[in-house]
Amino acid sequence: QLQLQESGPGLVKPSETLSLTCTVSGGSISSSHYYWGWIRQPPGKGLEWIGSIYYSGSTYYNPSLKSRVTISVDTSKNQFSLKLSSVTAADTAVYFCARGNDVANWFDPWGQGTLVTVSS
Amino acid sequence: QSVLTQPPSVSAAPGQKVTISCSGSSSNVANNYVSWYQQLPGAAPKLLIYENNKRPSGIPDRFSGYKSGTSATLGITGLQTGDEADYYCGTWDSRLSTGVFGGGTKLTVL
Repeated sequence: QLQLQESGPGLVKPSETLSLTCTVSGGSISSSHYYWGWIRQPPGKGLEWIGSIYYSGSTYYNPSLKSRVTISVDTSKNQFSLKLSSVTAADTAVYFCARGNDVANWFDPWGQGTLVTVSS
Repeated sequence: QSVLTQPPSVSAAPGQKVTISCSGSSSNVANNYVSWYQQLPGAAPKLLIYENNKRPSGIPDRFSGYKSGTSATLGITGLQTGDEADYYCGTWDSRLSTGVFGGGTKLTVL
């Protein structure tokens, strides 16, 4: 059974870079047909797609975040990562990683999510 | 302001049926697959429907999806108290080149 788990700091200072890693278990991140995505949810609000990556390294980003986002993959560790630079309080959210069908067609399964708070 | 429009809330009695709408446009719902997710309080979203009307294994047939033109609908029959959750629709927007979600609908089972 495929499982995803997010990890990383829960507190990031304004203007710094948020860094999260998603570890995939129970399956290979190098499986064809699937993409690996990041989605976030500010407290009490809806879902926002951040971006997705294919195991080959091809990336796709939400245009509204593209200038600040980098998603990378490490197939040797079965992990993919998110970096979001120049964060502000508006980036405070629960960050989920998920397996995607196509770039952002549908996502299943999802990690449990990790809350990242941007505060000094 | 979400690209996809969902009602903020819906409610129905146990055992009844409810539908949740997801309204979009020609650049998203009309020409791309729609998915639906259930998010229980404090949990991650769970895929209920993919490619407009398909159910992943393990999802009961009480949940159904339908799409027509620029709107999609999630139907839930035989409502149970355990169905109380937030429900989100999602798809790809070809004009914006981004994944998009609806604002979410809170289902209350009275």
